[in-house]
Amino acid sequence: DAMVIQNPRYQVTQFGKPVTLSCSQTLNHNVMYWYQQKSSQAPKLLFHYYDKDFNNEADTPDNFQSRRPNTSFCFLDIRSPGLGDAAMYLCATSPANRVYEQYFGPGTRLTVT
Amino acid sequence: AQSVTQLGSHVSVSEGALVLLRCNYSSSVPPYLFWYVQYPNQGLQLLLKYTSAATLVKGINGFEAEFKKSETSFHLTKPSAHMSDAAEYFCAVSASNTGNQFYFGTGTSLTVIP
Repeated sequence: DAMVIQNPRYQVTQFGKPVTLSCSQTLNHNVMYWYQQKSSQAPKLLFHYYDKDFNNEADTPDNFQSRRPNTSFCFLDIRSPGLGDAAMYLCATSPANRVYEQYFGPGTRLTVT
Repeated sequence: AQSVTQLGSHVSVSEGALVLLRCNYSSSVPPYLFWYVQYPNQGLQLLLKYTSAATLVKGINGFEAEFKKSETSFHLTKPSAHMSDAAEYFCAVSASNTGNQFYFGTGTSLTVIP
């Protein structure tokens, strides 16, 4: 089945220790998104890629970076995680001809100790 | 700009009773509207979507929603609640004039009482 895959599902990192979250898709969608969702809150868009074009939301902290080496993969790098970065991180994709639709992965729960 | 308001952060219904989760939107252009369900520690699963076709949209798990332009609403309903419906539900809007960015509501937590 075509899908959006996120690894790992649960990640524990130490305060200040860089961490990378992974997203892959078998949908061959042009657009990939990263969202941050804190407890009992709505998902908040961090950035997205339209093919290789990177689009950063204005209020996304510089601590968050992203890489998209090819169509299938997208990575979220947190350079120096703080306690406030503990959250669920959701990856989503959209096809170019229906960018108003988004398909979400299962998420990665990040804990910062 | 678009926005979504979900009235009621917590809704409780008895098993077998009607489920009604409210969503009102604001959009300066014709919107696309979505309902997602999220189970604990999982991602968002698309329940249904409105993309300017039929105003009554049927989704998975027996849910449906009706787009009412005059009321700027897109309420989610299910005739008979099941225990497995207990989850968090998010309404979202996107539109072409904002690059199809998604705007999520703050979510409604549904509890189903046996």
